[in-house]
Amino acid sequence: DTAVSQTPKYLVTQMGNDKSIKCEQNLGHDTMYWYKQDSKKFLKIMFSYNNKELIINETVPNRFSPKSPDKAHLNLHINSLELGDSAVYFCASSQEIGGGQGYTFGSGTRLTVV
Amino acid sequence: GIQVEQSPPDLILQEGANSTLRCNFSDSVNNLQWFHQNPWGQLINLFYIPSGTKQNGRLSATTVATERYSLLYISSSQTTDSGVYFCAVDDYKLSFGAGTTVTVRA
Repeated sequence: DTAVSQTPKYLVTQMGNDKSIKCEQNLGHDTMYWYKQDSKKFLKIMFSYNNKELIINETVPNRFSPKSPDKAHLNLHINSLELGDSAVYFCASSQEIGGGQGYTFGSGTRLTVV
Repeated sequence: GIQVEQSPPDLILQEGANSTLRCNFSDSVNNLQWFHQNPWGQLINLFYIPSGTKQNGRLSATTVATERYSLLYISSSQTTDSGVYFCAVDDYKLSFGAGTTVTVRA
């Protein structure tokens, strides 16, 4: 039973399109995150939510909009996709803000913008 | 923000060899976590280790929080250990190092 699941696993789309990535966790965690891994494998936080409230928004273009309908779900919507948005996007969760007993990551969504 | 430096950036090992990966961080942190990203891209938790030493099979980790570093030991390496090892420090969000790419040759 997957703890943090993301869909889709792969996403290929054209510049200018709008796309969404969905994330769900069944760990009962209060906090969820989106991380971006660039082509050099560097991982950087984008957003975090705690109990559906936005906690961290790291200098991310406003074309990226996270939405948390409940504390088990955190979706990422991206408008007007650009070539530079190509990356692997990871969803993660933790029991509380600040990690608690650690973070659990989803398997990633590889986004390719052509 | 907190700076996280990992060394070495790349490591090539012969199967059966032992190795040590290092993670230095620039400020006090709540916690520290080690991950392995396998060749399929999956991030796997290895250790949640704010301080002290933990062991899990052939892997062990030590964090000396007062001196702001952590070490990951791989003993008797196997080809399945190949991948990128990340250290991440937790200051209400994870800040990652650039990773150590480990290649284990048969």
